[in-house]
Amino acid sequence: QKEVEQNSGPLSVPEGAIASLNCTYSDRGSQSFFWYRQYSGKSPELIMSIYSNGDKEDGRFTAQLNKASQYVSLLIRDSQPSDSATYLCAVNDSGAGSYQLTFGKGTKLSVIP
Amino acid sequence: DGGITQSPKYLFRKEGQNVTLSCEQNLNHDAMYWYRQDPGQGLRLIYYSQIVNDFQKGDIAEGYSVSREKKESFPLTVTSAQKNPTAFYLCASSTPTYEQYFGPGTRLTVT
Repeated sequence: QKEVEQNSGPLSVPEGAIASLNCTYSDRGSQSFFWYRQYSGKSPELIMSIYSNGDKEDGRFTAQLNKASQYVSLLIRDSQPSDSATYLCAVNDSGAGSYQLTFGKGTKLSVIP
Repeated sequence: DGGITQSPKYLFRKEGQNVTLSCEQNLNHDAMYWYRQDPGQGLRLIYYSQIVNDFQKGDIAEGYSVSREKKESFPLTVTSAQKNPTAFYLCASSTPTYEQYFGPGTRLTVT
């Protein structure tokens, strides 16, 4: 059973701080990694994709990937109250011909004004 | 605008009735998915389809059925055999690089 593990939180950070969200995965063959943001009662929204080791920056968001450690993280700089949501980590299934993703259960982030 | 639509947004049914949830996409994606999300739980895959007229069971397919007659459409039927059907149902489609995009979801309540 392929697994994606996230700390469920809640993670509370003050407004303007850096929020750090972490994810580990079990499938060594995975090549594609995603972060989704899900507001309460809404559907998940894709915010970051990362495919190679290192950092990828998009505005206030930075995704970090370390395939050797099977670890992916999301940093949110200058956190805003509007960033308060649950963040889901997703990893592709490396099985041949599979387009499936395995999702973590999510980390709930609360940004305190 | 390209996107995924799901209807209805809220659905109420009596126990023992079958119900069909609609999912349509105009993103020209080949692959489509149905997930179920329960409070405090992650996304659980019900069915997925990588091409028209073909679909595979996910982790929790029992009590559900799907069809894929058109590239744009992937309806899900929740049958009376599903023991705990009350949940938030999410449809998604994906690019060839595995990026999945979700519809707004259907919240089903069965009493």
